[in-house]
Amino acid sequence: EADIYQTPRYLVIGTGKKITLECSQTMGHDKMYWYQQDPGMELHLIHYSYGVNSTEKGDLSSESTVSRIRTEHFPLTLESARPSHTSQYLCASSESETRYGYTFGSGTRLTVV
Amino acid sequence: GQSLEQPSEVTAVEGAIVQINCTYQTSGFYGLSWYQQHDGGAPTFLSYNGLDGLEETGRFSSFLSRSDSYGYLLLQELQMKDSASYFCAVRDNYGQNFVFGPGTRLSVLP
Repeated sequence: EADIYQTPRYLVIGTGKKITLECSQTMGHDKMYWYQQDPGMELHLIHYSYGVNSTEKGDLSSESTVSRIRTEHFPLTLESARPSHTSQYLCASSESETRYGYTFGSGTRLTVV
Repeated sequence: GQSLEQPSEVTAVEGAIVQINCTYQTSGFYGLSWYQQHDGGAPTFLSYNGLDGLEETGRFSSFLSRSDSYGYLLLQELQMKDSASYFCAVRDNYGQNFVFGPGTRLSVLP
């Protein structure tokens, strides 16, 4: 079944640690996105990619980085986690935003202590 | 840049009809989408309006007026499971991606 997967679902780590949030999709979508969302708040775009070897920063300034070496895989890395990074991170992909919209993963809820 | 406004909360009873408004300011305009998000869940796509008028999908309809920079999501025959947050999102002519509004939390009461 075509879907988009994020791991881990929950993560608690200490300040200064390096972490990678995984995102994979089996739909063959070229476009992929990372959003940051605090509980009950709006979604902020932090990174996006329109295809392999293509990555751009979004509207929200972020200290994270992304890579897109394979179509299906779009990991997000925090080199040195801080408490201000505590949030939910949502990965999404799309084929046609106007017909089908974005397909979101279940998210990673990150807590930095 | 873009800015979007939505009511923060709306409350209605089962079986009723509710309208969630979205006003936007963009340097151009390409389209308006709506998403539903249950607590602890991922947003799911509901509808897209690229042209003025009403788009209907089952109990949900979405309306757009480009001249008024305004759209709304209409939910009919409300059910308890419709309790969720609803986000509008717009894309302007110059940007490639959608910008999300602050969201409206809908509570459906028995």
